[in-house]
Amino acid sequence: KQEVTQIPAALSVPEGENLVLNCSFTDSAIYNLQWFRQDPGKGLTSLLLIQSSQREQTSGRLNASLDKSSGRSTLYIAASQPGDSATYLCALPGGSYIPTFGRGTSLIVHP
Amino acid sequence: DGGITQSPKYLFRKEGQNVTLSCEQNLNHDAMYWYRQDPGQGLRLIYYSQIVNDFQKGDIAEGYSVSREKKESFPLTVTSAQKNPTAFYLCASSMRGQGDYGYTFGSGTRLTVV
Repeated sequence: KQEVTQIPAALSVPEGENLVLNCSFTDSAIYNLQWFRQDPGKGLTSLLLIQSSQREQTSGRLNASLDKSSGRSTLYIAASQPGDSATYLCALPGGSYIPTFGRGTSLIVHP
Repeated sequence: DGGITQSPKYLFRKEGQNVTLSCEQNLNHDAMYWYRQDPGQGLRLIYYSQIVNDFQKGDIAEGYSVSREKKESFPLTVTSAQKNPTAFYLCASSMRGQGDYGYTFGSGTRLTVV
């Protein structure tokens, strides 16, 4: 059974810092890995989707990398802003393509 | 624009009542999922459906029921047998058997027992 771990569980940083959020998984036979953002009381918004054949994806200040052999993905946030404050989750398709989620990293960026 | 619509946004249930949460998608996705989210906890799978007229129990199906009569719709009923239904409920969808497109989520329904 696929298990997903996200480190750190919480992070509080001053505005402007570059951040790295980590996601590790136990089964490297994956189709893709998806990073989501969740604001309090809201649904999940997809940020980046990395196919298993890719090593990274970029969108604006966000860059996600994938290393299947080591079972790891990182989400890099450049020049963090208070608007980046949210919970970030990674998800991978598991058995029957059902997504398996990490518990998320709760990020606070203070001015 | 294509997406998933969950309604209502807020729902209040009295003790002993059944309530139904709506989830509709216009993405032509085959698979649909229901998750429950509690404060400080991860997402837990309640039910999923990969094709019309078929659905499977997830990790916490007790006290819940679903139907999948149409491809676009996957309603979740929270029955009186669910002892602690207060939570945030999320619906998601994806193309069946294809991880290439990822998953799309609705905006959620917050259910409170009064």
